[in-house]
Parts: sequence; C-alpha cells; structure tokens
Amino acid sequence: QSVLTQPPSASGTPGQRVTISCSGSSSNIGSNYVYWYQQLPGTAPKLLIYSDNQRPSGVPDRFSGSKSGTSASLAISGLRSEDETDYYCAAWDGSLSGVVFGGGTKLTVL
Amino acid sequence: EVQLVESGGGLVQPGGSLRLSCAASGFTFSTYNMDWVRQAPGKGLEWVSYIDSSSNIIYYTDSVKGRFTISRDNAKNSLYLQMNSLRAEDTAVYFCARVVSRSATWLDVWGKGTTVIVSP
Repeated sequence: QSVLTQPPSASGTPGQRVTISCSGSSSNIGSNYVYWYQQLPGTAPKLLIYSDNQRPSGVPDRFSGSKSGTSASLAISGLRSEDETDYYCAAWDGSLSGVVFGGGTKLTVL
Repeated sequence: EVQLVESGGGLVQPGGSLRLSCAASGFTFSTYNMDWVRQAPGKGLEWVSYIDSSSNIIYYTDSVKGRFTISRDNAKNSLYLQMNSLRAEDTAVYFCARVVSRSATWLDVWGKGTTVIVSP
C-alpha cells in the first residue's frame, strides 16, 4: 500500500487529453513539492515534472503538472502512442522523513 | 556526459550481505546529494535512502533501517549501499539517482540499475 495513491491504470486515444491523479496528505503533498516520473519498460525512470508544475528541458509541453491541497495531477495532452508507459508521482513526507512514491499508473493509448 | 553506473548486484541467500556501488562521472559528484531507489519485480518504485553531499544528513525508509547503510567517497566519485540481513522482499532492481538541490525527491539523473535477488 503506497502512501501516495494513484489509479493503477488510465487510457486515452491519440490526440486526447488524459489526467493521472495522485492523492496524499498534509505531511507530503500538502506541504511539499510533487514530482512526476515516466518509466519506459526495462529502463530507469525519467524526470517529467518537478516542483509541482515545472518541466525539465527536453520534456514536451504536452506534459503538465498541477496541485491543489493534498492532491496533484499529471496531464498529457495530444496523446501519442509513445506516451504508453508507467507514470509515478513522488513527494517528500515530513512525518516519515523520507520520499514517498505513488504506486504508479500504467497509461494505455488505445 | 553525465552518467551513473551501478554495480555489485547478484544472487544472495536470505540473511546474507551485498555492497552496491554507484560510479558517477561527467559532473562534480562531491557537490550533489544522492538517493537509492529500488523496484521489486513487477512493482512500483520505492525510495530506499538519501545522503547529502558531505555525508552529514542520511535518511532511510523504515523497512531497511538497521540493515542497510548508505555511504559515499567523494574522492572516488562513488556512492555505496551496504545491505546486511537481506530478506526475500529486498529482491529488486536498485537505482542510484542524483538529487537536485536539497530535495531528496528531485532526481534528475538515474543509473540503469543493478539487480539484487535474495533467494535460498
């Protein structure tokens, strides 16, 4: 059972906009930045969003992050087949003094 | 090129020990904080440990406290994870990752990982 809660799966058709949610608590999302990672099969995770809503250089602006209270979301617009993979949210948890990850969401492009 | 390369994984019996290494190159290792993150087969990411650039601040996830020890040698551009009293549930791919700023969650460079299998 992960501290941050993500839906195990999400789906959309090419060109569509999809969102992936990440729910936490006041000790993690509610008081610290949220980060999003993309992990292609058999590879290391890649930073997608940092500090709630910032994109590292090289990440397409189709990807965006937002946060409200103790929940965060990753939105992917103009869905493409190569977006079909796993996505993880993460945050620092002050009560645990550690990083907590969501359980991950497998995105399927129909 | 900024790069992290893990090594030291393998098959070990329950109760045994392993020492993982992470060799850094292409950046000034001594100025960066570092993390270990693991991923059990077919499962999600799990943060394991954090160490700051001068080894003054260290954190562990509860499940490894007292069994794992994170350390670094800035002169050798290397990060380590000493794993003792290994359990079946420690079986995973272990990634080392570079931390941006002081946020243990902001990981901008990852290694490809090294596999640890704990089995009789």
